[in-house]
Amino acid sequence: NAGVTQTPKFQVLKTGQSMTLQCAQDMNHNSMYWYRQDPGMGLRLIYYSASEGTTDKGEVPNGYNVSRLNKREFSLRLESAAPSQTSVYFCASSPPGQGGETQYFGPGTRLLVL
Amino acid sequence: GENVEQHPSTLSVQEGDSAVIKCTYSDSASNYFPWYKQELGKRPQLIIDIRSNVGEKKDQRIAVTLNKTAKHFSLHITETQPEDSAVYFCAALDYKLSFGAGTTVTVRA
Repeated sequence: NAGVTQTPKFQVLKTGQSMTLQCAQDMNHNSMYWYRQDPGMGLRLIYYSASEGTTDKGEVPNGYNVSRLNKREFSLRLESAAPSQTSVYFCASSPPGQGGETQYFGPGTRLLVL
Repeated sequence: GENVEQHPSTLSVQEGDSAVIKCTYSDSASNYFPWYKQELGKRPQLIIDIRSNVGEKKDQRIAVTLNKTAKHFSLHITETQPEDSAVYFCAALDYKLSFGAGTTVTVRA
């Protein structure tokens, strides 16, 4: 099992450009999450998907959209990137029946917006 | 929503000594408290967790304690080793995980 995978690993964007961060898991997990990590601020939840076909806003959703393409894949889209979105983005998933407890993280995507 | 505060932000210990990290949370409905370890450039990984019906849990050199009344929980690492150097995050779960800001632990040889 690959666990949780993310692409790309690193990306540089110019202000106003768009991009999609991809996340996939092969653990048959129902719930998936997108976090951003900034120095001194821990991990903050952007969006989550409790199951296929549902998505909900987290703590910092502004400037982002998500798509739960199927049970395996959960993508995060930046429509018009801003320097404030420079961050490390982590995708995570959790098994069914746990209410989001044990979360397994992907390797992260480091995004720089100039 | 839930607010998790974590202290200290940095911690330097001599190899073999103990390290303690403390967290407080605000939402009394939170019922699950994990601790994650993140090595430089890597993903966060769960190292230990505790549920609200338990006061203490141990796993080899690490332990977590929970005081529901005071709404705080702590991570204890005994006999620290250089490989314990990392950033540690506490978190609390109500309907989502809310993370503390992290503690950078450095173990001096």
